Amino acid sequence: DAGVTQSPTHLIKTRGQQVTLRCSPKSGHDTVSWYQQALGQGPQFIFQYYEEEERQRGNFPDRFSGHQFPNYSSELNVNALLLGDSALYLCASSLGLAGNTGELFFGEGSRLTVL
Amino acid sequence: KNQVEQSPQSLIILEGKNCTLQCNYTVSPFSNLRWYKQDTGRGPVSLTIMTFSENTKSNGRYTATLDADTKQSSLHITASQLSDSASYICVVSARGGSYIPTFGRGTSLIVHP
Repeated sequence: DAGVTQSPTHLIKTRGQQVTLRCSPKSGHDTVSWYQQALGQGPQFIFQYYEEEERQRGNFPDRFSGHQFPNYSSELNVNALLLGDSALYLCASSLGLAGNTGELFFGEGSRLTVL
Repeated sequence: KNQVEQSPQSLIILEGKNCTLQCNYTVSPFSNLRWYKQDTGRGPVSLTIMTFSENTKSNGRYTATLDADTKQSSLHITASQLSDSASYICVVSARGGSYIPTFGRGTSLIVHP
């Protein structure tokens, strides 16, 4: 049973560039949430996708956008990168919106460094 | 506003010793509380889940307690091992509403030999 997979695992970008991170949810899961985790901090909720629509959004600017595909996989896009966007980006999957009270299964994350 | 506060922020103990981590929350209406373990540079992994009616849940050397009246939870680690070195995150979910769980900032535990 494949768990949550994320790619790439590490990447380095420069200020102003754009980045796309990818996530495949755990088998059987249909909801994907993205989190940003700065060093030494807890994960901060970016947004959640269900049925290919953004259902909830945290306090992040429009530079952060996403997409969910019919196979439930998801992408996180960040435009006009800033130094402060350097973080570990975590993808979490769950089953349905009601499953938000259930367990989130996390991927290993994508470590983004902005120079 | 839903909030989760964890203490201490960091903790250093010797291998074989016990320790207790604390979590206070203001999430309402309460649905469940989870403790996650996050190794450095890895994704969090769920250790325990507790609902309103449960006040103790164990997973090996990890024991979580919940006091729904005072809105406090603790995670007790018995006979610590070097592999317990990690960040421990308390996550509280509310019924209905925004559906999004509220995360604490985590307690960083270092176990020294």
